[in-house]
Amino acid sequence: GIQVEQSPPDLILQEGANSTLRCNFSDSVNNLQWFHQNPWGQLINLFYIPSGTKQNGRLSATTVATERYSLLYISSSQTTDSGVYFCAVAAGNKLTFGGGTRVLVKP
Amino acid sequence: SQTIHQWPATLVQPVGSPLSLECTVEGTSNPNLYWYRQAAGRGLQLLFYSVGIGQISSEVPQNLSASRPQDRQFILSSKKLLLSDSGFYLCAWSVLTGVTGFSGNTIYFGEGSWLTVV
Repeated sequence: GIQVEQSPPDLILQEGANSTLRCNFSDSVNNLQWFHQNPWGQLINLFYIPSGTKQNGRLSATTVATERYSLLYISSSQTTDSGVYFCAVAAGNKLTFGGGTRVLVKP
Repeated sequence: SQTIHQWPATLVQPVGSPLSLECTVEGTSNPNLYWYRQAAGRGLQLLFYSVGIGQISSEVPQNLSASRPQDRQFILSSKKLLLSDSGFYLCAWSVLTGVTGFSGNTIYFGEGSWLTVV
């Protein structure tokens, strides 16, 4: 099956800092999504981005499908950005998740 | 609009007891349904997915089973729980288009169920 690796596994940021999270995947995919899991366990869809670049407020994402990676950018981080960020990919019916990047934004 | 609900939200069960987690989706027809498990706050593992009533695909051998008795209902069960079954269980749905699966559609998760086996 498809392998998904995320880096870094943990990230500590000072409020206001910018950061980049990376997702590498092992095979061609037709779906790539970024999620944020809040401290209560809820998974929130951030981006559906199998290719190209999208922006939503302080978050943006870029996927280079030909090189099999995606990046999630967090700008001007806030304490509410804390949580775990997951990348997930699919080639068909099944969405495979990476191990996540745990982000802690300190005030 | 579409909504997904799963219950119970939290449960503590003794080893060897049965389990039933239920998930329902509203506002859509013939969704793909999924059960994921998350252990130790990391990585979601796909347990089962279903493309239609009575159609279940199992991803990993385990102590759990799934059933889909109705189009928008997905149930996760166990006859005898093990300590290792503890974790956070998430139900999810999506609608596929064409033969390429997820293309153009996203997956949506329920609120999750925290299971502690003692």
